[in-house]
Amino acid sequence: AQRVTQPEKLLSVFKGAPVELKCNYSYSGSPELFWYVQYSRQRLQLLLRHISRESIKGFTADLNKGETSFHLKKPFAQEEDSAMYYCALKKGGTSYGKLTFGQGTILTVHP
Amino acid sequence: DAGVTQSPTHLIKTRGQQVTLRCSPISGHKSVSWYQQVLGQGPQFIFQYYEKEERGRGNFPDRFSARQFPNYSSELNVNALLLGDSALYLCASSEGQGETGELFFGEGSRLTVL
Repeated sequence: AQRVTQPEKLLSVFKGAPVELKCNYSYSGSPELFWYVQYSRQRLQLLLRHISRESIKGFTADLNKGETSFHLKKPFAQEEDSAMYYCALKKGGTSYGKLTFGQGTILTVHP
Repeated sequence: DAGVTQSPTHLIKTRGQQVTLRCSPISGHKSVSWYQQVLGQGPQFIFQYYEKEERGRGNFPDRFSARQFPNYSSELNVNALLLGDSALYLCASSEGQGETGELFFGEGSRLTVL
């Protein structure tokens, strides 16, 4: 069965510092990977997906199939980046409604 | 558009009771998925419905069931509640079967089982 692991439950950085939220997955097929974010008092929402290869709010994530990782990076963290971040995986051939989520990482950016 | 709406927002039940949770998707969205989020964990997939048909089921017991109505709203039913069913239940909708890769989540229904 597929699995998504986010090894850090909590991550604290200072404003302007680089940030990297780690995500590792186990799945033998071709996955699609996503990052979802939940800001305080807001709903869970899509941040980015690896297929689009976009940079959203300064965040990027590259799918590394060799290391089975999809780490989320931002070169200069901002206080408004403080949120809960979830990495999620979709198995090949399945519906986009069926995602496997990691446990989440709470990012706190200090002023 | 108010986005995905769920009701009730909070509810308390006792062991053995039954509960029904409701979800209205974003207008035009035909797919609804249900997730269970236990405190401290990420959301776990329960069901997906598209065009009123079940398109996926997660690893949950038969006490969990769901359906989708002609207006694409959905209900999640849980019978014979256990303490371990206490969780936030999230509903997410998407266009089609979510080919854009984006799920739109509701605020959830928080269930407490005593």
